[in-house]
Amino acid sequence: EAEVAQSPRYKITEKSQAVAFWCDPISGHATLYWYRQILGQGPELLVQFQDESVVDDSQLPKDRFSAERLKGVDSTLKIQPAELGDSAMYLCASGTGTLNTDTQYFGPGTRLTVL
Amino acid sequence: AQTVTQSQPEMSVQEAETVTLSCTYDTSESDYYLFWYKQPPSRQMILVIRQEAYKQQNATENRFSVNFQKAAKSFSLKISDSQLGDAAMYFCASKKEGGSEKLVFGKGTKLTVNP
Repeated sequence: EAEVAQSPRYKITEKSQAVAFWCDPISGHATLYWYRQILGQGPELLVQFQDESVVDDSQLPKDRFSAERLKGVDSTLKIQPAELGDSAMYLCASGTGTLNTDTQYFGPGTRLTVL
Repeated sequence: AQTVTQSQPEMSVQEAETVTLSCTYDTSESDYYLFWYKQPPSRQMILVIRQEAYKQQNATENRFSVNFQKAAKSFSLKISDSQLGDAAMYFCASKKEGGSEKLVFGKGTKLTVNP
């Protein structure tokens, strides 16, 4: 069964450093989502792509976060510089984006710890 | 704006027994969709069950069923014949109509299944 791939699974970094996370969605899925899940809370959308275009980045802290999906397939989320408050699980999800009941399939996540 | 509230941070159930997880939501949308997702420890989030708001009939998936009370904006999840593998974080989520709309999650309920 096809799955959403993410790497790395765990990342420890010091504040002010740069970090990058990678996501490979299920083949053929046009919509890709990056969610941030702070410990003890539900995921919140950071950025959403439809193919290679950003359709919602209203909650993305653009002074330090950037995201791209250059060829409309895999995606990279970058944080520069990382801050202590960025410690969280970063989840990638994908979907076909065509049906109202479209299921979002989630990857295993990248757990970021900023020291 | 959509909001989702899960008022039970933790729940426990004996194996083979039934447990109900609560969820309330608020939305100004006339058409929307509701979901329950399961996040096992160190594993990816998976869809448990979904409900189209325009459908009066409650959704069921094997041992999982929902009690959807549209007027009360309530969407509870019932797990029958609980199994050890049901232990996980459970997130209630809502979505506006549209294949590529984002999910809005509650804070989650941690379910423990006791042998």
